Amino acid sequence: GNSVTQMEGPVTLSEEAFLTINCTYTATGYPSLFWYVQYPGEGLQLLLKATKADDKGSNKGFEATYRKETTSFHLEKGSVQVSDSAVYFCALLIGGYQKVTFGTGTKLQVIP
Amino acid sequence: NAGVTQTPKFQVLKTGQSMTLQCAQDMNHEYMSWYRQDPGMGLRLIHYSVGAGITDQGEVPNGYNVSRSTTEDFPLRLLSAAPSQTSVYFCASSSLSSGSNEQFFGPGTRLTVL
Repeated sequence: GNSVTQMEGPVTLSEEAFLTINCTYTATGYPSLFWYVQYPGEGLQLLLKATKADDKGSNKGFEATYRKETTSFHLEKGSVQVSDSAVYFCALLIGGYQKVTFGTGTKLQVIP
Repeated sequence: NAGVTQTPKFQVLKTGQSMTLQCAQDMNHEYMSWYRQDPGMGLRLIHYSVGAGITDQGEVPNGYNVSRSTTEDFPLRLLSAAPSQTSVYFCASSSLSSGSNEQFFGPGTRLTVL
């Protein structure tokens, strides 16, 4: 079946530090890949996505590259801010009916 | 646009009680789904619907019922609540026709079953 594995959290960084959150996947097919972010007390919202190998998704300074050879979609940001504190979910979608498989989420805390 | 709305925000039930979690979207999305979020387990799909009158089971459907009588509404029913159903519930919707694959989530309902 399909699955997504994320690095365990929580991750605590100082403001302006470099961020990497690892994500690898297993899929029976050719998935689209996503990163969603959940701010405290809110629902998830799409951060970025990539639909084919070597695509790079980017938004709000975050980037992730679809690596088919390593089945990975790691999230990176060069300089985090306190406002980036949230839970980040890696996810994949295969097929036409929008059934998304989510990872367990990684909590990021950025301290001033 | 309101997007995806959920009610109530919080609910406490006793074991054996029933209730309905409401979900509505105003984006004319064909696809709607319910997830539960538990610590260390991410989001798990409970039920989903690809259009009015069509529903199907997800990963963890036991103890939950759904119906889709309109495009806008997708209520989730707990017929006899159990402590194992204590969780945060999210409704989501997406467009099957746009090709974007983005899921839009509601703000969630925090349910506690005593």
